Amino acid sequence: EVQLVESGGGLIQPGGSLRLSCAASGFIVSTNYMSWVRQAPGKGLEWVSLIYSDGSTYYADSVKGRFTISRDNSKNTLYLQMNSLRAEDTAVYYCTRERYSGPQGGASDIWGQGTMVTVSS
Amino acid sequence: DIQMTQSPSTLSAFVGDRVTITCRASQSISSWLAWYQQKPGKAPKLLIYKASSLESGVPSRFSGSGSGTEFTLTISSLQPDDFATYYCQQYNSYSGTFGQGTKVEIK
Repeated sequence: EVQLVESGGGLIQPGGSLRLSCAASGFIVSTNYMSWVRQAPGKGLEWVSLIYSDGSTYYADSVKGRFTISRDNSKNTLYLQMNSLRAEDTAVYYCTRERYSGPQGGASDIWGQGTMVTVSS
Repeated sequence: DIQMTQSPSTLSAFVGDRVTITCRASQSISSWLAWYQQKPGKAPKLLIYKASSLESGVPSRFSGSGSGTEFTLTISSLQPDDFATYYCQQYNSYSGTFGQGTKVEIK
């Protein structure tokens, strides 16, 4: 079965760090575009970061310089390292597989169940 | 950055109604647009990609149209399972901007 399973969320103080993991099954992470999308409580969806199959990475301005997307091909797992966390980073974080690629991105056909990150003192 | 604007924000309709949601891009995105459905507490589900292509397994009552800067999602006959929030997303650029969402409620 093709699926994504996130983990690593939790309660963290402002300024702290957290690493989210997204384990994939049924397909190979490194041959796909993979992204992170977040959703603050009661709000809409916000694209956070993207990694191409060639390893190129992209970030939303709101997280640039603080978050790092990466993958471990041997574990078929995607990561999001989040540093200098702020209250406004509080959200459910989803990892997604992007397919049907356009010029620079793709439509997300597979989504994980999401992991909640709460930044609060 | 490309901005995406959906309308309406909320829509009230009866089962069986034909429903249309509009999404406008701040600049041309060709046909690089997706539509998603999200139910409370669940991850979004891809319905339509490349503006008008139906994702596998999605009922044919869902359809998408448009190109350039204006797009629509149509549900031909609203079913009880369709009450949810719908989002458009452009993927012409790497920063896949989403619209703010349209909540479809029971009238």
